[in-house]
Amino acid sequence: GNSVTQMEGPVTLSEEAFLTINCTYTATGYPSLFWYVQYPGEGLQLLLKATKADDKGSNKGFEATYRKETTSFHLEKGSVQVSDSAVYFCALSTGANSKLTFGKGITLSVRP
Amino acid sequence: DSGVTQTPKHLITATGQRVTLRCSPRSGDLSVYWYQQSLDQGLQFLIQYYNGEERAKGNILERFSAQQFPDLHSELNLSSLELGDSALYFCASSPRTSGRSSTDTQYFGPGTRLTVL
Repeated sequence: GNSVTQMEGPVTLSEEAFLTINCTYTATGYPSLFWYVQYPGEGLQLLLKATKADDKGSNKGFEATYRKETTSFHLEKGSVQVSDSAVYFCALSTGANSKLTFGKGITLSVRP
Repeated sequence: DSGVTQTPKHLITATGQRVTLRCSPRSGDLSVYWYQQSLDQGLQFLIQYYNGEERAKGNILERFSAQQFPDLHSELNLSSLELGDSALYFCASSPRTSGRSSTDTQYFGPGTRLTVL
């Protein structure tokens, strides 16, 4: 079956530090890959997505590249801000029903 | 604001009871998904409806059921509640006309927090 593995958290960074959050997946077929973000007390928001190999998704300074050879979709940001503090979920979708399979999520805290 | 609304925001009830969670999708979206977020299980897909018909089932217990109405809003019914059903329940909607595309973005509501005492 499909699965998503995220690096263990939580992660604490200082403002303006470089961020990498690892995500690898196992899937049948050709999945679409997503990063969702959950701010405290809110629902999930789509951060970025990529629907085929070598695609790069980007939004709000975040980027992730769909790497089929390493089955990965790592999230990066060059300079994090305090407002980026949230929980980040990697997810995939395949096949006919397009349900999302999520990783466990990782909490990011950014200190001023 | 995603455009997906969920009510109520919080629900506190006792074991053995039955509750109904309500979701209104974004205007024009035909697909509705339900997810459960708990500390031990993480985020898990429960069920999907497309234009009134059940399309896919995930890890949904037999005590749980859902439906989508002609106006496209959806309800998730949870019965014979147990302590372990305490969780955040999210509804999401997507715009694709077919309901069968893995490239669709799902837009999430703010969730209903269910506490079973």
